[in-house]
Amino acid sequence: DAKTTQPPSMDCAEGRAANLPCNHSTISGNEYVYWYRQIHSQGPQYIIHGLKNNETNEMASLIITEDRKSSTLILPHATLRDTAVYYCIVREDGQNFVFGPGTRLSVLP
Amino acid sequence: NAGVMQNPRHLVRRRGQEARLRCSPMKGHSHVYWYRQLPEEGLKFMVYLQKENIIDESGMPKERFSAEFPKEGPSILRIQQVVRGDSAAYFCASSLGTQGGLETQYFGPGTRLLVL
Repeated sequence: DAKTTQPPSMDCAEGRAANLPCNHSTISGNEYVYWYRQIHSQGPQYIIHGLKNNETNEMASLIITEDRKSSTLILPHATLRDTAVYYCIVREDGQNFVFGPGTRLSVLP
Repeated sequence: NAGVMQNPRHLVRRRGQEARLRCSPMKGHSHVYWYRQLPEEGLKFMVYLQKENIIDESGMPKERFSAEFPKEGPSILRIQQVVRGDSAAYFCASSLGTQGGLETQYFGPGTRLLVL
């Protein structure tokens, strides 16, 4: 079973920031937070991951709360191509990735 | 850099036939993972392999399914005597196999199996 809880769907206006929340209240100290997305009919695409500190790359930013029980993925300027299902996954090294149902993000023109 | 490659992209089989799905990991990656995604569902882990070794097959159905990752060549997911319930998208992922949170998995485009 997935260790995370995400809203089933969200809308975002094109050009605005998309903030996707994820709850992982039972996360352990060795578990990382990973984000993937799956654009329709494609394989999942790695976005970002982190342990404690906030992370940023060319795709997104990951904000992890101090108690690590929740996190937010931020797409700073959403485009239509960002419409996808976004998966938040917690795992530690050596564990399998467990994909939940994710959040279906619709970026609207 | 070439990403994870899977072939065929689409495969149609009749009930009772065999399906062979191939996965070539990213260059330099020595770990391969197979997942299955049923229509309108999330990805489910099936099996994790390193070269010539099955590390974790806890997600594999007990019968008809097998996987290998030989010393040379791609990883193969084999489904014998396919049934309609096997119709799904099968995704392969690969990783470097190092420690320290670097086990990010990179996914291929998938093989869509349709059993008639």
